[in-house]
Amino acid sequence: EVQLLESGGGLVQPGGSLRLSCAASGFTFRSHCLSWVRQVPGRGLEWVAVVYYDPTSTYYADSVKGRFTISRDNSKNILYLQMNSLSADDTAVYYCAKGLRPMDAREAYYFDSWGPGTLVSVSS
Amino acid sequence: SSELTQDPAVSVALGQTVRITCQGDSLRSFSAAWYQQRPGQAPILVIYDKIIRPSGIPDRFSGSTSGNTASLTITAAQAEDEADYYCNSRDSSGDHIIFGGGTKLTVL
Repeated sequence: EVQLLESGGGLVQPGGSLRLSCAASGFTFRSHCLSWVRQVPGRGLEWVAVVYYDPTSTYYADSVKGRFTISRDNSKNILYLQMNSLSADDTAVYYCAKGLRPMDAREAYYFDSWGPGTLVSVSS
Repeated sequence: SSELTQDPAVSVALGQTVRITCQGDSLRSFSAAWYQQRPGQAPILVIYDKIIRPSGIPDRFSGSTSGNTASLTITAAQAEDEADYYCNSRDSSGDHIIFGGGTKLTVL
């Protein structure tokens, strides 16, 4: 059974940093594209970043580019999101999501498994 | 275009059929996927490759695409289908993943 479990959320001041982790199990971690998706409570889903099965290939939403860094540790089966220069606009539940097919970058957006999410609150 | 447009809200009578649409220029190049999200829960993939249902998704859910519009159809809607539904795909450049704004489905 595929499991994804995010951690690292919490309250942080504007301008601060936070690192989210997503521990994965139940599938061949190194073969799948992985994304972070966020959701402001009561609002819609917003894709944040993706790392392909090739860990050097990463892409970001314009809203976080230059501030957030997605990475993966294939030896530990963990996905990360380093978030810097946080603002109130970054307040959201952050989900990690797994791409459906192994070695498939084109349809990396078919998210067949999601974690329960971790809440990030940016406030002074 | 880098947007996917969905109607904010749709309603359907119990047992009737409802279609939820998602419009975007990028859908001419990239297939749409659909997600169901109930309150307080993570999204669930219900359709990918325009028309494919993952294992465990009831067959009353179906997908289609025509031109720049993807559709999710729920035939004989059930009370448990009341949820938010999101489409996603890539933007026209192909570099970014995008979501539609979501459609809140009410089953009357």
